[in-house]
Amino acid sequence: NAGVMQNPRHLVRRRGQEARLRCSPMKGHSHVYWYRQLPEEGLKFMVYLQKENIIDESGMPKERFSAEFPKEGPSILRIQQVVRGDSAAYFCASSPPWTSGGYNEQFFGPGTRLTVL
Amino acid sequence: GQQLNQSPQSMFIQEGEDVSMNCTSSSIFNTWLWYKQDPGEGPVLLIALYKAGELTSNGRLTAQFGITRKDSFLNISASIPSDVGIYFCAGQRRTSYDKVIFGPGTSLSVIP
Repeated sequence: NAGVMQNPRHLVRRRGQEARLRCSPMKGHSHVYWYRQLPEEGLKFMVYLQKENIIDESGMPKERFSAEFPKEGPSILRIQQVVRGDSAAYFCASSPPWTSGGYNEQFFGPGTRLTVL
Repeated sequence: GQQLNQSPQSMFIQEGEDVSMNCTSSSIFNTWLWYKQDPGEGPVLLIALYKAGELTSNGRLTAQFGITRKDSFLNISASIPSDVGIYFCAGQRRTSYDKVIFGPGTSLSVIP
């Protein structure tokens, strides 16, 4: 059973270009979360999606960032017109549907390290 | 916004020693989580805690959910080289869906 897959693992972009990060959740998982991690810091929640729906985007920057999880295919985190401050590791996690009580464990992918030149 | 504080920020210990690290918050959390992140990888869940006062073990790891619901600690006994990594506490405020908030991490180095 493959884990959460992210690609590319490393991405280099010049300022002003677009970055597209892909995440394939674990088999049977319909919930996807995106996090950003700056060097020497913890993970910061960005967005939570179910198939074709954005459930919580309270951590997403208001501009240039968007996320989708289409009916078919991976979830995509898209950053338009990248700036140097966007350089970070971006992690995707997936979980099964939520149930009452307990923690709906999120399984993390290996991350995409974005470098903006 | 919600913040979690972890201490110490980093630790250097001898193999075989016990380790203790903790996590505090200014507000109440209903779920406490401890994750470990190896270099170049995503975090992996070690222990989840759901009730105030709960003490849970996972092999050489033991974690407790503080009575005030504002803190948690993680102990590692008899450390080994593969314990090296960054340990994150994390929490959720609600028992239904809530975003997970991560602390800044404790970096552990084990000297053989």
